[in-house]
Amino acid sequence: ETGVTQTPRHLVMGMTNKKSLKCEQHLGHNAMYWYKQSAKKPLELMFVYNFKEQTENNSVPSRFSPECPNSSHLFLHLHTLQPEDSALYLCASSDRLAHPYEQYFGPGTRLTVT
Amino acid sequence: ILNVEQSPQSLHVQEGDSTNFTCSFPSSNFYALHWYRWETAKSPEALFVMTLNGDEKKKGRISATLNTKEGYSYLYIKGSQPEDSATYLCAFAQAGTALIFGKGTTLSVSS
Repeated sequence: ETGVTQTPRHLVMGMTNKKSLKCEQHLGHNAMYWYKQSAKKPLELMFVYNFKEQTENNSVPSRFSPECPNSSHLFLHLHTLQPEDSALYLCASSDRLAHPYEQYFGPGTRLTVT
Repeated sequence: ILNVEQSPQSLHVQEGDSTNFTCSFPSSNFYALHWYRWETAKSPEALFVMTLNGDEKKKGRISATLNTKEGYSYLYIKGSQPEDSATYLCAFAQAGTALIFGKGTTLSVSS
């Protein structure tokens, strides 16, 4: 596996379900990100982890809970979501010590909340 | 609130046409400007990262310019091909901040 991978690629869940999105980067990077893309909107940054520490939480509702157990893996735990949370969720990674740093993206998880 | 504007929102060209898109961003505290190409069902792919006023980058038929003083960047595609069909995203960063993305320009190239 190379680059940034995400699983699952598609997920349908009910509002009372609990599910998790997984992201893995094989690039040796030290920062990982979760983005949300809703229809007709730009990519919205949700969370940032630098060296496994959460450094940014962009006012994301608590029904989204990130976890970064090591510098290669990032999870997004989902519970009691709303239909408006249906979107494409993208993971990215970067080397924050590089200047300028580029972000490398995974293919995303298409989430549908019913 | 920092905003990145991209225009046009979408465009359709014929194979062989040359085209360009615009990205507008705040001109204060500039750190970097990124261009990404995003094909359907794939990962956004980095095209260019530019940091200096007057920067020009080129990759094959695609090139980009940067004006940090007036806050804009142009992306040019020379001789468009069907495989250039994608959404082109622009992202701006100030020092110490995360990337702020525009909504993108969706290009469709007909053969």
